[in-house]
Amino acid sequence: EDKVVQSPLSLVVHEGDTVTLNCSYEVTNFRSLLWYKQEKKAPTFLFMLTSSGIEKKSGRLSSILDKKELFSILNITATQTGDSAVYLCAVLSGNTPLVFGKGTRLSVIA
Amino acid sequence: EPEVTQTPSHQVTQMGQEVILRCVPISNHLYFYWYRQILGQKVEFLVSFYNNEISEKSEIFDDQFSVERPDGSNFTLKIRSTKLEDSAMYFCASSDLGSYNEQFFGPGTRLTVL
Repeated sequence: EDKVVQSPLSLVVHEGDTVTLNCSYEVTNFRSLLWYKQEKKAPTFLFMLTSSGIEKKSGRLSSILDKKELFSILNITATQTGDSAVYLCAVLSGNTPLVFGKGTRLSVIA
Repeated sequence: EPEVTQTPSHQVTQMGQEVILRCVPISNHLYFYWYRQILGQKVEFLVSFYNNEISEKSEIFDDQFSVERPDGSNFTLKIRSTKLEDSAMYFCASSDLGSYNEQFFGPGTRLTVL
């Protein structure tokens, strides 16, 4: 059975801190890994990672994939209160749709 | 920017009743999905739909569930006889290149079964 595990489950930081969120996976026929940010309702897309070692960056957020060790990290630098959300990791394997992890709840305190 | 829309935002129903959740995917997308998220739990895949038929479904998607694309824009999820455990947030998503590409999610419908 395909499995996606995120850690930590929750995290509280102060504004300006840097955080690293982890996602490990065990799937057959891996295709890509996606990060989503879920605030109040719908997950919104952040990154899709397919190749190992290539960092994807968007502003203060960046992510990288390690296909040998089967994990990805999502980094957020200089955190702001608006970064408070649940960050979801999801994996595409074979022809199956997304398998999600439980998410990491990030709370950024002013 | 195009987006996926869902109605209603919140649906309250009695156990045993039928509900229909509606979604309007992004107009040029061809692949459609339903996911659900029970409160406090992870997002779970229900079903994917392409070319007017189900392409994949999970074990959650039993005979109580059905999907339909009744016209060129809407994509619906019907639950025939709701159970208490069907209470969840239901997300519709769509993509243009199947599950190999980014799926755009709608805002969700919160279903409460009493």
